[in-house]
Amino acid sequence: GDSVTQMEGPVTLSEEAFLTINCTYTATGYPSLFWYVQYPGEGLQLLLKATKADDKGSNKGFEATYRKETTSFHLEKGSVQVSDSAVYFCALFTGGGNKLTFGTGTQLKVEL
Amino acid sequence: DTAVSQTPKYLVTQMGNDKSIKCEQNLGHDTMYWYKQDSKKFLKIMFSYNNKELIINETVPNRFSPKSPDKAHLNLHINSLELGDSAVYFCASSRTFGERGYGYTFGSGTRLTVV
Repeated sequence: GDSVTQMEGPVTLSEEAFLTINCTYTATGYPSLFWYVQYPGEGLQLLLKATKADDKGSNKGFEATYRKETTSFHLEKGSVQVSDSAVYFCALFTGGGNKLTFGTGTQLKVEL
Repeated sequence: DTAVSQTPKYLVTQMGNDKSIKCEQNLGHDTMYWYKQDSKKFLKIMFSYNNKELIINETVPNRFSPKSPDKAHLNLHINSLELGDSAVYFCASSRTFGERGYGYTFGSGTRLTVV
């Protein structure tokens, strides 16, 4: 079946540090890949997405590239801010599963 | 204008009670979902409805019964609540069922606490 593996958190960084959150997947078909963000006490918001190999999704300074050869979709940001503190979820969708399957989430804490 | 709205935001109730959570979307989407988020933030799909028809029913106790009176609404009724039902329940919607490229729009969640 479909599954997503994310790095364990929490990840604690100083403001302006570089961020990488690893995400790898297993899928029975050709998935679309997503990153969602959940701020404290809120629902999930779509951060970025990619629908085919080598696509790069980007939003709010975050980027992720769909790597089919390594089945990965790692999230990166060059300079994090305190306001980026949240839980980040990697997710995939395949036509076979017909549902969005999430990783376990990675909590990011950014300190001054 | 809230795209996917859930009520209530918080729900505290005693074991054995029956409760409902309501969800409405004003996006014109055809498909709606219920997800459960446990205390470790893990998200698991429970149900999916497409145009009022049940499409996905994961292994959820039959104490949980979704109802979709129209494609803009998907409610979740829970009978005989148990301590293990304590979680955050998220409603979500998508344009159509099986559409792979657009993702889902989520509500802000309902935090259910069973005491």
